[in-house]
Amino acid sequence: EAGVAQSPRYKIIEKRQSVAFWCNPISGHATLYWYQQILGQGPKLLIQFQNNGVVDDSQLPKDRFSAERLKGVDSTLKIQPAKLEDSAVYLCASSLDNEGRRNTQYFGPGTRLTVL
Amino acid sequence: AQSVTQLDSQVPVFEEAPVELRCNYSSSVSVYLFWYVQYPNQGLQLLLKYLSGSTLVKGINGFEAEFNKSQTSFHLRKPSVHISDTAEYFCAVSDKAAGNKLTFGGGTRVLVKP
Repeated sequence: EAGVAQSPRYKIIEKRQSVAFWCNPISGHATLYWYQQILGQGPKLLIQFQNNGVVDDSQLPKDRFSAERLKGVDSTLKIQPAKLEDSAVYLCASSLDNEGRRNTQYFGPGTRLTVL
Repeated sequence: AQSVTQLDSQVPVFEEAPVELRCNYSSSVSVYLFWYVQYPNQGLQLLLKYLSGSTLVKGINGFEAEFNKSQTSFHLRKPSVHISDTAEYFCAVSDKAAGNKLTFGGGTRVLVKP
């Protein structure tokens, strides 16, 4: 079974530029998550989708971050414009569902973003 | 609000020695608990999980963890580590009252020395 796919793996941009990350979850997984992991810290949830609807985006900086999950499969996360403090690894995860035993999350390899 | 505390930020250990990584959580009664491992430049890989039932949970690569409800702990153990176990380990809690949102600890870096 294929795991969670993410691209690109690495991205370097100047501050105030835009950047987009792509995620393809495990086939059949209804729930998709985007996390931000700053160096030396645990991952922090940015946004959670259930199929193509948003379940939780309370920690997403909506003035600069946006995410979508068209057709309930792939997802993109965008930052516009980027700030220095956005330098982090962006992790995508998916789970069968978001209820009980079915919410075990499986992670992709992440995208390491460096903002100069 | 749920929270997770990993008491040790770094744990050096010699090869073939045992290791224990401590994790304490603050949450409501009904929780699910997880340990993930992150190797350099990789995503998180699930080591083991506690959903219900036996409080001793066995995972991959010889790791096990024990859920202690009274002490709100979920410590991870391995009786004999290998060089390949050098990685960062994250404890996480999922709480139904918080919409099954996963909250991570700050991580413990394990450095296995020959």
